[in-house]
Amino acid sequence: QQQVKQSPQSLIVQKGGISIINCAYENTAFDYFPWYQQFPGKGPALLIAIRPDVSEKKEGRFTISFNKSAKQFSLHIMDSQPGDSATYFCAASMDHRGNSNAGGTSYGKLTFGQGTILTVHP
Amino acid sequence: DARVTQTPRHKVTEMGQEVTMRCQPILGHNTVFWYRQTMMQGLELLAYFRNRAPLDDSGMPKDRFSAEMPDATLATLKIQPSEPRDSAVYFCASGLYPTRTGERGEQYFGPGTRLTVT
Repeated sequence: QQQVKQSPQSLIVQKGGISIINCAYENTAFDYFPWYQQFPGKGPALLIAIRPDVSEKKEGRFTISFNKSAKQFSLHIMDSQPGDSATYFCAASMDHRGNSNAGGTSYGKLTFGQGTILTVHP
Repeated sequence: DARVTQTPRHKVTEMGQEVTMRCQPILGHNTVFWYRQTMMQGLELLAYFRNRAPLDDSGMPKDRFSAEMPDATLATLKIQPSEPRDSAVYFCASGLYPTRTGERGEQYFGPGTRLTVT
């Protein structure tokens, strides 16, 4: 019930195109859904995140769409650039103090998807 | 510019040797995580601490791995004895939890320690 499933494993997009990565989760107690971006030789860095009380969040060219009933969320990268080429991870956690399902010890514990290697061709 | 630091960045060692990885979390963060990244398994949570107390180390092989926080500025991950299958990148991350309404809940990752066991 803690799994987060991510697809596709790899994605090739032309410069200016739209990149779409999808994730599905099982545990309805999750209350925080971040996307991390990782460049080779670096640690993952938070890109954008959403909470289940909204269906969409946009920051610049990056948008998260969230479907609570389907237990799915996705990352859309508009006008994809070669500099966006990286590995993207979706994740889920319980981190709000009001979440009684966290049991006090699980706050912040991230469950990651398997990652998507994005390549944007010039 | 607050960041998580990890040392060493690279470590090559022979099977059977002890390996110690160190992490300095961001000042003020109360939760520290250790992750392992491999091509096959992706990012796996090994252990984590809140206010220096261990909360969950179920992701670690108990017979050879140990994690500690001697003080609020230092977390360590030790492997003894190391094996070739331990070759991976080990990340430390820190954050402040639980969050209040409106807080971002960001978890900051260090640059990682790339471990190679021959």
